[in-house]
Amino acid sequence: GALVYQYPRRTICKSGTSMRMECQAVGFQATSVAWYRQSPQKTFELIALSTVNSAIKYEQNFTQEKFPISHPNLSFSSMTVLNAYLEDRGLYLCGARELGGPQDTQYFGPGTRLLVL
Amino acid sequence: QQQVRQSPQSLTVWEGETAILNCSYEDSTFNYFPWYQQFPGEGPALLISIRSVSDKKEDGRFTIFFNKREKKLSLHITDSQPGDSATYFCAASVGGYKLTFGTGTSLLVDP
Repeated sequence: GALVYQYPRRTICKSGTSMRMECQAVGFQATSVAWYRQSPQKTFELIALSTVNSAIKYEQNFTQEKFPISHPNLSFSSMTVLNAYLEDRGLYLCGARELGGPQDTQYFGPGTRLLVL
Repeated sequence: QQQVRQSPQSLTVWEGETAILNCSYEDSTFNYFPWYQQFPGEGPALLISIRSVSDKKEDGRFTIFFNKREKKLSLHITDSQPGDSATYFCAASVGGYKLTFGTGTSLLVDP
């Protein structure tokens, strides 16, 4: 079955520092990876959509300068939160869409929970 | 403006009862509607989904009823079990790439 791993599951960083999180698709090839942030209140925000061999599209209020993303192949994506502050805390989720899989299906990893001190 | 709305915010049912979770949306171009189940500390897991060409989708104890004209859908969980206690998110998209999530319904099934 389609599995998505995220690493680390939980991280704490000091205000103003940066941290990198990874997303790995296992058992399938991910044509696209969408990064979301789930707030402590459980609302979701789409950060960016990354498709292999295409430009990464960032949503309003999110920029490449703040959340650079790397998507080098069909099974791996990483995102860095640069210069993290309190408002960046939350659960960062990666949703991977399967190449040739059930149309429109997006599988999520368990998330990386970011705490900022 | 919240594009996808869910109600109720929280719901408690007895074991064996049917739980009904509601969802409505604004954008008439949305054509794909997945429901995700999320347990505390975990990421959302795809539960069941429906495309706008259908008005009903069933998978075991889970059924989606879809009303395109009214832009509403609902998730029915029959014979609810304590293990179904979780937060359920309705999402919507055009083509499945960018999901717009609702605010979730927290379901508690009392044994």
